[in-house]
Amino acid sequence: EVQLVQSGAEVKKPGESLKISCKGSGYSFSSYWIGWVRQMPGQGLAWMGIIFPGDSNTRYSPSFQGQVTISADKSISTAYLQWSSLRASDTAMYYCARHFGSGSPPPPDYWGQGTLVTVSS
Amino acid sequence: DIQMTQSPSSLSASVGDRVTITCRASQGIRNDLGWYQQKPGKAPKRLIYAASSLQSGVPSRFSGSGSGTEFTLTISSLQPEDFATYYCLQHNSFPPTFGQGTKVEIK
Repeated sequence: EVQLVQSGAEVKKPGESLKISCKGSGYSFSSYWIGWVRQMPGQGLAWMGIIFPGDSNTRYSPSFQGQVTISADKSISTAYLQWSSLRASDTAMYYCARHFGSGSPPPPDYWGQGTLVTVSS
Repeated sequence: DIQMTQSPSSLSASVGDRVTITCRASQGIRNDLGWYQQKPGKAPKRLIYAASSLQSGVPSRFSGSGSGTEFTLTISSLQPEDFATYYCLQHNSFPPTFGQGTKVEIK
């Protein structure tokens, strides 16, 4: 069974750094793209970027380029989303999702449970 | 970016009703479109891929159609567990973009 398990909720202050994680199991982690999707409070879904753990090839939506860093450690089947300096506007639920199928990139099929990030002074 | 316009943004329906949600792309995307269901406090779940293929385990009352710029998600007979928000996603052109969502509420 494909599973993506994300790290727990975080409460941070503006300017702090943060790295959240997403651990995959039940499939060959290195062989599938994995990406991140943001959902701000009461809002819709926004696709952020994607990484191929096998070779660390990473692509970002222009809206998120330079704002976050996506990485992966295939040895422990874990992907990461990282901020160097959080802002209040980063407050949101963040979902990781495996991507599979046709297209460039392929679409998300399995999703993690989400990590709530709250940034407040 | 390709803009995905969903309509309606919300609707009220009764159990047993036939429900149709539309997604229009700002340019042609072949059949590179999926539909996702999200219940409050839960992660999205994929219902349809490649515009009309049913995800394994999803009830057959859900169906998708369309190609190019216009797509529909149809629920043939709405069930209590179907009250949720539905999103389309195009992945033909980078970056992938979601529609704004359609909230299906109980009448």
